[in-house]
Amino acid sequence: GAVVSQHPSRVICKSGTSVKIECRSLDFQATTMFWYRQFPKQSLMLMATSNEGSKATYEQGVEKDKFLINHASLTLSTLTVTSAHPEDSSFYICSGRRTGRPEAFFGQGTRLTVV
Amino acid sequence: KQEVTQIPAALSVPEGENLVLNCSFTDSAIYNLQWFRQDPGKGLTSLLLIQSSQREQTSGRLNASLDKSSGRSTLYIAASQPGDSATYLCAMEYGNKLVFGAGTILRVKS
Repeated sequence: GAVVSQHPSRVICKSGTSVKIECRSLDFQATTMFWYRQFPKQSLMLMATSNEGSKATYEQGVEKDKFLINHASLTLSTLTVTSAHPEDSSFYICSGRRTGRPEAFFGQGTRLTVV
Repeated sequence: KQEVTQIPAALSVPEGENLVLNCSFTDSAIYNLQWFRQDPGKGLTSLLLIQSSQREQTSGRLNASLDKSSGRSTLYIAASQPGDSATYLCAMEYGNKLVFGAGTILRVKS
């Protein structure tokens, strides 16, 4: 199967700082990238969908100015958590998809802890 | 609202047992259904994908079925092994989005 590489796997940052999470599709062109958030023992909640070269579409309740998503190329998407607060601590996972194909390939996730 | 429910929330079985994980969904207008495995602190690994026109898919010891009319899917794991211990998630695709269940935490005891 196709590989999505997500970095970093863990990050600890101070309140008020920004953190960038990268997601790369290594062996396919991800025309669409999805960003999810997962709380302990809960399911994945879709935060936003981005198509290469376009602005991301955010789900209801997700602050677009706080969670900046960039999808500048077919192999790279980034999520930047700006002015992070402890309540932003969570597990973030990206997923990439090729045009016209149903399969979604997931990164390994990033555990963000804001102190 | 599109909701996906998984039962049971947790399951503990002895090695070698056959088991069934259940997934139900409220909106039958799905494009496809996927079953994933998630190990602790890790991302998701796709196990099986069933397109809306299909009834089931098999891969090794895994078999997944889809019944759109009843809004249900099952994942059957044959001859379970300790290495099968993980959280299993089902997800329905609506449009271009996946809606996930909360998962079933499976523990296979040796």
